[in-house]
Amino acid sequence: DGGITQSPKYLFRKEGQNVTLSCEQNLNHDAMYWYRQDPGQGLRLIYYSQIVNDFQKGDIAEGYSVSREKKESFPLTVTSAQKNPTAFYLCASGFTSYNSPLHFGNGTRLTVT
Amino acid sequence: DQQVKQNSPSLSVQEGRISILNCDYTNSMFDYFLWYKKYPAEGPTFLISISSIKDKNEDGRFTVFLNKSAKHLSLHIVPSQPGDSAVYFCAASPNGAGNMLTFGGGTRLMVKP
Repeated sequence: DGGITQSPKYLFRKEGQNVTLSCEQNLNHDAMYWYRQDPGQGLRLIYYSQIVNDFQKGDIAEGYSVSREKKESFPLTVTSAQKNPTAFYLCASGFTSYNSPLHFGNGTRLTVT
Repeated sequence: DQQVKQNSPSLSVQEGRISILNCDYTNSMFDYFLWYKKYPAEGPTFLISISSIKDKNEDGRFTVFLNKSAKHLSLHIVPSQPGDSAVYFCAASPNGAGNMLTFGGGTRLMVKP
């Protein structure tokens, strides 16, 4: 089955540690995205990549880093510089063609204590 | 500045009745609009979309209406079912930007049996 896989589902880290969230897709989508959702809020864009080896900052990129070495993979690193890292992180992918909906993974809930 | 707003954080409807979820936007460059449905601890699922050249799009029990002059869209669910209980997000994409989405804050729909 084609889809987007995020792992792990739940992640716990101590403050000051970097942590990497995995996102893999087998939908042959060109573009991949990372969003963050906080309780009672909408989705905010962290980073996106529309082609391999290229990525752009979204609205809330500070404290995060990404890489896009393969079309299928778009890992997100939450660094110790991110002030409020505890959140629900969602990865999405889609075609860059006009008017094409994004497809989302099932998310990773990160808790930093 | 929120470019996409869902002013009702929650909505409660009786099973079998109509559910109407509303969304307002401010950016005149938006020309593609989507609705996503989200269950807790899962990723959003694409529901229905509409481009700015239309004012209505229908898919089964779901209909999206777009009023460009008012910068307003709505999602109608008829008849509502208990399984429709979820958080609904509207999203919008600007002209030529493919699937670069800006999301509203979401509306929690509760359908009572």
